[in-house]
Amino acid sequence: AAGVIQSPRHLIKEKRETATLKCYPIPRHDTVYWYQQGPGQDPQFLISFYEKMQSDKGSIPDRFSAQQFSDYHSELNMSSLELGDSALYFCASSLDRRGEQYFGPGTRLTVT
Amino acid sequence: AQSVAQPEDQVNVAEGNPLTVKCTYSVSGNPYLFWYVQYPNRGLQFLLKYITGDNLVKGSYGFEAEFNKSQTSFHLKKPSALVSDSALYFCAVRDDKSQGGSEKLVFGKGTKLTVNP
Repeated sequence: AAGVIQSPRHLIKEKRETATLKCYPIPRHDTVYWYQQGPGQDPQFLISFYEKMQSDKGSIPDRFSAQQFSDYHSELNMSSLELGDSALYFCASSLDRRGEQYFGPGTRLTVT
Repeated sequence: AQSVAQPEDQVNVAEGNPLTVKCTYSVSGNPYLFWYVQYPNRGLQFLLKYITGDNLVKGSYGFEAEFNKSQTSFHLKKPSALVSDSALYFCAVRDDKSQGGSEKLVFGKGTKLTVNP
């Protein structure tokens, strides 16, 4: 069965640089979620989109922005990167906003 | 606000023995409860969910969970543990969106399960 696809899987950036993470949801899933998982931490919700509109917002820094496109894929844009942004970034998708969320493999971002 | 507590950072069991990973929750409305498993350097894999219905929920890989409303608990169980079950287990809760709750998942801190051969 098709799963959530995230790219890139690994990303190394320097402080103050910009990064773009991409997420391709499971086909027919209309809702996308972004989570951040720091080392040894539980995943923290950042933002979600339903039918290409922002649906819910969590602890996402103002330096980050995201959107969902017409083909339902989503991109998380991160600017002015800080060392503390180093984490595993997960995208998840669901068939509707009540269904279970299926997670991608994550993008490991390292900021040096 | 929603919250989840996993009181045990680590659980160790012998292969073949039953296992339980504990979870308690707090939500303002009807709870949507989930269990996920995470293997090293991997994403979160969905195991099972409770939304409504029977209090005993069966999921993937022989896991099940028991919803107890009076104790606000949703413990994960398996009758006979395998070495390959060793991983990090996360309990998560979400509010009922239809009652104005958030759709975000709120996770517990995770419980590291080690099954010894």
